[in-house]
Amino acid sequence: EAGVAQSPRYKIIEKRQSVAFWCNPISGHATLYWYQQILGQGPKLLIQFQNNGVVDDSQLPKDRFSAERLKGVDSTLKIQPAKLEDSAVYLCASSLYNLAGRTGEQFFGPGTRLTVL
Amino acid sequence: AQTVTQSQPEMSVQEAETVTLSCTYDTSESDYYLFWYKQPPSRQMILVIRQEAYKQQNATENRFSVNFQKAAKSFSLKISDSQLGDAAMYFCAYRSLNTGNQFYFGTGTSLTVIP
Repeated sequence: EAGVAQSPRYKIIEKRQSVAFWCNPISGHATLYWYQQILGQGPKLLIQFQNNGVVDDSQLPKDRFSAERLKGVDSTLKIQPAKLEDSAVYLCASSLYNLAGRTGEQFFGPGTRLTVL
Repeated sequence: AQTVTQSQPEMSVQEAETVTLSCTYDTSESDYYLFWYKQPPSRQMILVIRQEAYKQQNATENRFSVNFQKAAKSFSLKISDSQLGDAAMYFCAYRSLNTGNQFYFGTGTSLTVIP
């Protein structure tokens, strides 16, 4: 079974530039998560999708961050414009969702390390 | 919102010895999942062990076991016969079974294994 795919693995940009990250979850996983992980900290949830609908985006800085999952499969996360404090690893994860409402563990991608100069 | 606390930023253990990582959480829910994830220096997060709150029996996966104390809201991870490959960041995570099935992560414990 293929894992969660993310690209690019590394990205370096100047502040005020734009950047986009891509994630392809494990086939059949309805729930997709984007996390921001600043060095030395635990992952912070940015946005959670159930199929192509947003479940939780309460911690997404909506003035500069956006995310979409148009067909309920892969997803993109965009930052426009980037700030120095956006330097972090952006993790994508996916999990199954069953009719009982109980889901299993999350499976994580390798992450995208963003450096904003 | 639920909170997950890992009070040990760093821990070290001698190879072949046993180490216990602590985790506490705050919730008003009665049913939920708890997880320990491992994040090696390569940064891909992988699942170590999971525990369903409705199960009284502590989960075990080979050298990894948990001590789940529901009333105390404590969920510690014990690593037996520590190996060099166990060196990593370990994150405790809580999964709500209410709306959204959201995950909440602790701040992590960095484990060093001394040869």
